[in-house]
Amino acid sequence: DTGVSQDPRHKITKRGQNVTFRCDPISEHNRLYWYRQTLGQGPEFLTYFQNEAQLEKSRLLSDRFSAERPKGSFSTLEIQRTEQGDSAMYLCASSFGGQEGYEQYFGPGTRLTVT
Amino acid sequence: RKEVEQDPGPFNVPEGATVAFNCTYSNSASQSFFWYRQDCRKEPKLLMSVYSSGNEDGRFTAQLNRASQYISLLIRDSKLSDSATYLCVVIPWMDSSYKLIFGSGTRLLVRP
Repeated sequence: DTGVSQDPRHKITKRGQNVTFRCDPISEHNRLYWYRQTLGQGPEFLTYFQNEAQLEKSRLLSDRFSAERPKGSFSTLEIQRTEQGDSAMYLCASSFGGQEGYEQYFGPGTRLTVT
Repeated sequence: RKEVEQDPGPFNVPEGATVAFNCTYSNSASQSFFWYRQDCRKEPKLLMSVYSSGNEDGRFTAQLNRASQYISLLIRDSKLSDSATYLCVVIPWMDSSYKLIFGSGTRLLVRP
């Protein structure tokens, strides 16, 4: 399967714990995005990488959130001191760069439940 | 006001019906427009891009009205498999990240 993969698919954690999610984009894609989706809403942009550089972060991304893409391949999203409001689906997407690369391919998501 | 607004539905239609969804966007300088489809508990997938001249893909027709900041999706001859949430998506003008701005989605239920 050469699509976008995410791990884990589900995560249940207690409030205050740290969690880390991984995303493996389509191998030739240089752009990688993280989105968050809550029930009944569309996905909301969190952050964007071009290769290994994190070029944009949403105001939704509080200082408890950090994302990396160390070698321009896979990416991790860490949430420290989780809160119940962090419960959501975290979606990763990747695309080619440039004007022709609008289509973003999404992974299956990591569903986080904070108890 | 949300940047992209959609009627949440649900739209409950019989098989074979024609159904239309609308979407409005607030940023007049938006550059690109799409419809994504999302099945229950699955990831969004691109259904079609939306061009100023309008475009058609099989049973699906998308239209863009820049003056009214309005996007539409028409589905003809609805199938049971069309049941899903349809997300209206916009890319802001001059946004080099090409991040997607999603509406909340319109839910479609096609009944036998």
